[in-house]
Amino acid sequence: GAGVSQSPSNKVTEKGKDVELRCDPISGHTALYWYRQSLGQGLEFLIYFQGNSAPDKSGLPSDRFSAERTGGSVSTLTIQRTQQEDSAVYLCASSLRAATMKTEAFFGQGTRLTVV
Amino acid sequence: SQQGEEDPQALSIQEGENATMNCSYKTSINNLQWYRQNSGRGLVHLILIRSNEREKHSGRLRVTLDTSKKSSSLLITASRAADTASYFCATDGNNFNKFYFGSGTKLNVKP
Repeated sequence: GAGVSQSPSNKVTEKGKDVELRCDPISGHTALYWYRQSLGQGLEFLIYFQGNSAPDKSGLPSDRFSAERTGGSVSTLTIQRTQQEDSAVYLCASSLRAATMKTEAFFGQGTRLTVV
Repeated sequence: SQQGEEDPQALSIQEGENATMNCSYKTSINNLQWYRQNSGRGLVHLILIRSNEREKHSGRLRVTLDTSKKSSSLLITASRAADTASYFCATDGNNFNKFYFGSGTKLNVKP
């Protein structure tokens, strides 16, 4: 597609349920990032995929969070046993190369997750 | 934390005035970027400045970088109501290959 696509755009779930958020990056982009943004706050780094390298999971807040990137393209962020504090906008971004390679990140429109 | 921090947190100006936002960061960088976010959704890239550059222009945007002070500024000249958004700086944290974002400056341009 022309840009980074995220689905769903909005998700309301009950506390304790699992959710899956999907990201389709721009074709050919080797780097993929997940960020979380709470209301009125900055972007909190969650996880980073670069090509076939092992992902950088250093930002995942707990073991309830996990992410996969299949075939170097589509990524899924899974949150198990959701809690109310997980409510936020989850943003996915992709870039042609790693950040240090002077490349810009292209963002999807995000998934707004509400845990009730 | 390697995140950039923007200052001020919020800025309100009249249309036609200039808006200046600042960003400070903690580690050495390869490049620094500025992004804009409307309505709490996806971010849009505005401009990238490399660590060996001191100033860069793009339309009404002017970015400066002072690596000795680990700071950058974004100047929007002749602001318009449509410039109302949140602005974030992002650094690459040098060897960490990912983008670190600050908490943003919320700009309100009154018509």
